[in-house]
Amino acid sequence: AQSVTQPDIHITVSEGASLELRCNYSYGATPYLFWYVQSPGQGLQLLLKYFSGDTLVQGIKGFEAEFKRSQSSFNLRKPSVHWSDAAEYFCGLSNFGNEKLTFGTGTRLTIIP
Amino acid sequence: NAGVTQTPKFQVLKTGQSMTLQCAQDMNHEYMSWYRQDPGMGLRLIHYSVGAGITDQGEVPNGYNVSRSTTEDFPLRLLSAAPSQTSVYFCASTLAGSTDTQYFGPGTRLTVL
Repeated sequence: AQSVTQPDIHITVSEGASLELRCNYSYGATPYLFWYVQSPGQGLQLLLKYFSGDTLVQGIKGFEAEFKRSQSSFNLRKPSVHWSDAAEYFCGLSNFGNEKLTFGTGTRLTIIP
Repeated sequence: NAGVTQTPKFQVLKTGQSMTLQCAQDMNHEYMSWYRQDPGMGLRLIHYSVGAGITDQGEVPNGYNVSRSTTEDFPLRLLSAAPSQTSVYFCASTLAGSTDTQYFGPGTRLTVL
């Protein structure tokens, strides 16, 4: 069965600092991988996705993620966070294109001035 | 385009009551799905549909019914609500079999007393 693990429940970083959110997956083949962001009281917005090709994926709002097959990871990074990045972040995978997503449990990001 | 809309935004039910959560999209998407979001558990797939007249179960289907009579609408029915169904429910849609993102609605917060 496929699964996604986000080992960090809550992360606090200072505004302007770099960020890395971890995501590990378990799947028999190469999965389709996603990162979504959820602001308080809102639905989910796609940050970026990996389907194939270049393993370093650029997304919106200055985020990027790197697919590492050998480590079964798809970590999300941002070089300098802004207060508006405070939200909950979900890593997800699918074995069929963009359908039937399996999500991790999420990482809540707090930004301190 | 309104995107994905959900009604109501909030609902309180008593145990045993029934209700329908509404979901509609105006993007002519074939694929629609329902997720529930619980603290510490991320989002879990309840039911999904790949087109009008076609539905299937996701990870946590028990206690929920769906139907898909039109491309636009995908209601989720709780026939006899239980406290375990207290959750935030999200509807999502996308073009089936594509690399497009899933578009999420704003969610319905349901409390069952």
